[in-house]
Amino acid sequence: TQLLEQSPQFLSIQEGENLTVYCNSSSVFSSLQWYRQEPGEGPVLLVTVVTGGEVKKLKRLTFQFGDARKDSSLHITAAQPGDTGLYLCAGWSNSGYALNFGKGTSLLVTP
Amino acid sequence: EAGVAQSPRYKIIEKRQSVAFWCNPISGHATLYWYQQILGQGPKLLIQFQNNGVVDDSQLPKDRFSAERLKGVDSTLKIQPAKLEDSAVYLCASSSRTYDTQYFGPGTRLTVL
Repeated sequence: TQLLEQSPQFLSIQEGENLTVYCNSSSVFSSLQWYRQEPGEGPVLLVTVVTGGEVKKLKRLTFQFGDARKDSSLHITAAQPGDTGLYLCAGWSNSGYALNFGKGTSLLVTP
Repeated sequence: EAGVAQSPRYKIIEKRQSVAFWCNPISGHATLYWYQQILGQGPKLLIQFQNNGVVDDSQLPKDRFSAERLKGVDSTLKIQPAKLEDSAVYLCASSSRTYDTQYFGPGTRLTVL
């Protein structure tokens, strides 16, 4: 199983602050995905990054895929309480069938 | 478009009892997944179906877990007998086909006492 390490595990910030969370692996992935999961709900796909060095923006969220395709980061600008949730990164296994998830970063944004 | 439906939303049982979860995927989605999410961890794939055939069940504890998707639509996941370590959220997801976007249901939270 290809492990995905996410950091930090927990993050508590105030509204308006910026933050970055990380997803790292010793394995190369053909693509990585980021999900957000709110309490009592299933994960929802935010973005898929495919090309090494790729940067994708989704409003205040910026996603980057490392040049070597082993790591990714998620940067949130001016965080809002609605950004609160569990952020998960995931990548397809070498076998191609299983989507491996990291343990996630739990983000709390307080007003 | 209706999302992935799961029931029940919550279930509390005692160890050694049996339990079953039901999933109705998005209409037309050929691929269906069952994941186990233990508190503080990310989802772990238990089994993947393509229509009514099993694609991957390598992480399914087959001595106690079973799953079926008889008509290629709805699916059930069963645990018999349950252990304390089975306490988790069981998520069902579906996609048009493998590698397409997976849409998750709200999950069933299982507590084994």
